[in-house]
Amino acid sequence: QQQVKQSPQSLIVQKGGISIINCAYENTAFDYFPWYQQFPGKGPALLIAIRPDVSEKKEGRFTISFNKSAKQFSLHIMDSQPGDSATYFCAARDDKIIFGKGTRLHILP
Amino acid sequence: NAGVMQNPRHLVRRRGQEARLRCSPMKGHSHVYWYRQLPEEGLKFMVYLQKENIIDESGMPKERFSAEFPKEGPSILRIQQVVRGDSAAYFCASSATPGQGRAFFGQGTRLTVV
Repeated sequence: QQQVKQSPQSLIVQKGGISIINCAYENTAFDYFPWYQQFPGKGPALLIAIRPDVSEKKEGRFTISFNKSAKQFSLHIMDSQPGDSATYFCAARDDKIIFGKGTRLHILP
Repeated sequence: NAGVMQNPRHLVRRRGQEARLRCSPMKGHSHVYWYRQLPEEGLKFMVYLQKENIIDESGMPKERFSAEFPKEGPSILRIQQVVRGDSAAYFCASSATPGQGRAFFGQGTRLTVV
């Protein structure tokens, strides 16, 4: 049973465009929704996170939109850059972090 | 403040040998989590430990795998009698409190079973 569903599996975006990654969850006990960025050969690094009592959080070019009633949340990367090319994981946490399967993002120069 | 330290970074074992993976959490962190990542897949939760206690091992295979987090020293993930299917990247994360705050990940140990 996959508790956090992530889409798309891979994404190609032109430089300067908006990258959008979507996630959905079932467990209403989740109380924290982080996004992680992972480069090849490296560990995941926390990018941005949101709690379910907030509908949107923005940090620089990264924005999380959260829809509690739909149990969905998404990551928007504005003005996408080649350096953003990485694998992105959404996650949800009760007492441990449950990861989505990841989205491989490639930004075309 | 050093980050989460994992060693070794790369480990090669022959089938049937034992693999010991170490994780030193960030200073002040007493909660440790182990994850396994297969190629082209997400991270799968294995076990959650506090000092001297296993809190949740629901993701650990029933046989050959064990984990500990002693009062002194790093957390250890032990895999006995390794098989080819154990080849993966194993990541450790730590946090200061459970269910709150940020969990920080180490660089991982890449285990290859030959």
